[in-house]
Amino acid sequence: GQNIDQPTEMTATEGAIVQINCTYQTSGFNGLFWYQQHAGEAPTFLSYNVLDGLEEKGRFSSFLSRSKGYSYLLLKELQMKDSASYLCAAMDSNYQLIWGAGTKLIIKP
Amino acid sequence: NAGVTQTPKFRVLKTGQSMTLLCAQDMNHEYMYWYRQDPGMGLRLIHYSVGEGTTAKGEVPDGYNVSRLKKQNFLLGLESAAPSQTSVYFCASDIGFSGANVLTFGAGSRLTVL
Repeated sequence: GQNIDQPTEMTATEGAIVQINCTYQTSGFNGLFWYQQHAGEAPTFLSYNVLDGLEEKGRFSSFLSRSKGYSYLLLKELQMKDSASYLCAAMDSNYQLIWGAGTKLIIKP
Repeated sequence: NAGVTQTPKFRVLKTGQSMTLLCAQDMNHEYMYWYRQDPGMGLRLIHYSVGEGTTAKGEVPDGYNVSRLKKQNFLLGLESAAPSQTSVYFCASDIGFSGANVLTFGAGSRLTVL
């Protein structure tokens, strides 16, 4: 079956670095997405990886290892506004998205 | 540029009532989707459309119907609401034509069925 696993909740301190992990099992693979969702709001796109390696976008970076079925989202210089849920989604061979349940990130001052 | 607009934002129904959620996008996107989001679960695809006049079933289609009569609109209907359909519903769209496309989501519609 197809499955995405990510931690339910994480806590970090303002100004620090946090890494949110995601493991996936899909029938075929066409890339890995990360979305950010603030409470009560819509998910918004953060990153997309289809090749192995690290993609950096400002304070946010995303890593993919296709051989390990593993990705992580790295958030640097954490700000209070980064408190949100982070959704991992893998795209299978039919271009269908398989979504994880999301990781709620709590930032403490 | 409004993006994806969902109406209504909130609705309370009694078991057995019917309702329609409306999704409108102004980005000329081909593909549109309806998801539901429940606590502790990932987004689950209800129905989707790859173009005007087309619809297809997703992962959890039972109890829902959809229509896409115009390219910009995607309607989600509940004919006889059940408490299990209490959820937050998100509409999304993307440019289409296959490939790994970025989804643009609406703000969500919170539905409670009593």
